[in-house]
Amino acid sequence: DQQVKQNSPSLSVQEGRISILNCDYTNSMFDYFLWYKKYPAEGPTFLISISSIKDKNEDGRFTVFLNKSAKHLSLHIVPSQPGDSAVYFCAASEDAGNNRKLIWGLGTSLAVNP
Amino acid sequence: DTAVSQTPKYLVTQMGNDKSIKCEQNLGHDTMYWYKQDSKKFLKIMFSYNNKELIINETVPNRFSPKSPDKAHLNLHINSLELGDSAVYFCASSHGTGGADLVSQYFGPGTRLTVT
Repeated sequence: DQQVKQNSPSLSVQEGRISILNCDYTNSMFDYFLWYKKYPAEGPTFLISISSIKDKNEDGRFTVFLNKSAKHLSLHIVPSQPGDSAVYFCAASEDAGNNRKLIWGLGTSLAVNP
Repeated sequence: DTAVSQTPKYLVTQMGNDKSIKCEQNLGHDTMYWYKQDSKKFLKIMFSYNNKELIINETVPNRFSPKSPDKAHLNLHINSLELGDSAVYFCASSHGTGGADLVSQYFGPGTRLTVT
């Protein structure tokens, strides 16, 4: 039973345009959400996060929006660059004391075309 | 300067064998993790250790045994390998296990295990 879902396995955008990656979750106890980026043959690297007490967090070209009522978050990349081509994972976590862990989506493969 | 390193990067072995994957981090982190990414690209935590103490142990067959000789190392030993163990195994580390610490989870490059 997947608690974190990324329903689009892939996305293709033109360089300079906006990339929007979506993520849905089912567990209302999640209080922390993260986006990781992964290049082939490398481990995931942290990109941006958001706490459930916020609805938006921005870091340079990357903005994450959280809609708690819809249990939905999205990652916006503006403007998209060819170097952004990678797999993007959405992950979520709930407070479980020392056992806090990340629950991951399946990822969305983003291709930014020059 | 490699922050989280894993060896080997590729491992091909036959069913029934026992193998180990090693992980080392030079970030001074207290917490280390093992993740498995299966053929469907699903990334799932297997174990985590904090200061050499096991704190997360997901529903993993007991053929998998993590060992943390010190804070900088978390090795994964797998006995009696099965075809279904074929996957990419990622090691990761973080300062702790709090919400903000999850942000700074650093991953190794992965070990691709193929069981034939």
